[in-house]
Amino acid sequence: RKEVEQDPGPFNVPEGATVAFNCTYSNSASQSFFWYRQDCRKEPKLLMSVYSSGNEDGRFTAQLNRASQYISLLIRDSKLSDSATYLCVVGTYNTDKLIFGTGTRLQVFP
Amino acid sequence: NAGVTQTPKFRVLKTGQSMTLLCAQDMNHEYMYWYRQDPGMGLRLIHYSVGEGTTAKGEVPDGYNVSRLKKQNFLLGLESAAPSQTSVYFCASSYLAEAKNIQYFGAGTRLSVL
Repeated sequence: RKEVEQDPGPFNVPEGATVAFNCTYSNSASQSFFWYRQDCRKEPKLLMSVYSSGNEDGRFTAQLNRASQYISLLIRDSKLSDSATYLCVVGTYNTDKLIFGTGTRLQVFP
Repeated sequence: NAGVTQTPKFRVLKTGQSMTLLCAQDMNHEYMYWYRQDPGMGLRLIHYSVGEGTTAKGEVPDGYNVSRLKKQNFLLGLESAAPSQTSVYFCASSYLAEAKNIQYFGAGTRLSVL
């Protein structure tokens, strides 16, 4: 079983739609959680950290469920520029390393 | 605003050739990482360093060596390239903030081994 699992997609949604991605992780001792964004043929970039109480950054909302060991990302009012691959990332207990999911691809169409 | 710089951006090697990928960061970060990214596999950690003069193995270290002689530089070496090492290589550097490891990536090196 992979340490971090994501639905690879693609998710094809129209502009203005709301879309949600989920991710599960296997190590219950994981301490930190993130969503990164990766555009085609570019490097990953931090989108947002995920806090236990849930957090919002504009149109993006991240949630963490430690009991069920899953993380979610909700994107409201999707824009064409949101088209990218979204990587679920989990930090190891000693914080030295990050474990990356294989990513969920989002395509927003006009 | 250089951040993390990787050189070269592209390279084609023949099987058995050697090369070194250079990663440089100007953010005074302690931690540096080398990943490879292959279709359907996601980012996999090759080697990493938690400070100048230290290195450690990641998930897929075989066939690679690294050195961190200076805090700002992290070198990845391929001693005898194999076609299985065809990949996109990303370097990252990071700091810890509130026990969170925040990583910043370079633009990547696309390597083909023929």
